[in-house]
Amino acid sequence: DAGITQSPRYKITETGRQVTLMCHQTWSHSYMFWYRQDLGHGLRLIYYSAAADITDKGEVPDGYVVSRSKTENFPLTLESATRSQTSVYFCASSLRGGLSNEQFFGPGTRLTVL
Amino acid sequence: GQQVMQIPQYQHVQEGEDFTTYCNSSTTLSNIQWYKQRPGGHPVFLIQLVKSGEVKKQKRLTFQFGEAKKNSSLHITATQTTDVGTYFCAGPDTGNQFYFGTGTSLTVIP
Repeated sequence: DAGITQSPRYKITETGRQVTLMCHQTWSHSYMFWYRQDLGHGLRLIYYSAAADITDKGEVPDGYVVSRSKTENFPLTLESATRSQTSVYFCASSLRGGLSNEQFFGPGTRLTVL
Repeated sequence: GQQVMQIPQYQHVQEGEDFTTYCNSSTTLSNIQWYKQRPGGHPVFLIQLVKSGEVKKQKRLTFQFGEAKKNSSLHITATQTTDVGTYFCAGPDTGNQFYFGTGTSLTVIP
């Protein structure tokens, strides 16, 4: 039971480069989420998706792009990385119920932008 | 903007002592969820409360949801070293946004 996986687990990049973080879940959950976690801010929602081809902005979407062509994948792209995007990124999924249901989190990706 | 604050930010307790974290939202939440994150780990769901005034228990953990659905608390009785971690409240507002609280980091001293 693979559950929810993220890749890469660690990434170092430079300012201005494009970076894509991958998220894959094997549960066929409808909802998927991207969060960033920074000291002092807890977790903040970047984007979420209710189903394939349906995405919605979260609290902090600027500078990020998402897509969801398949139910099981939800990649997050930083089109031109900035130092302020250095963070730990968590992907999560939820079976149903949208924002009102238990979320299962992946192990996270630690991104450093130099 | 919307804020979900938790106090205290940090708490150190001797093993066996009780612990409480308080969660306060600037707006009404549809429900409140609690997550635990161990150091270096990812958040793990603990429980969800939906009704105003609701109280739920899980062994030594007691969760409450306020009458106005803007605040919540988590109380741990007789802490153990396995309780170490950061506890987050979280929930959706009425505008299809989801917010996590700022978290309370619990350290248990053996």
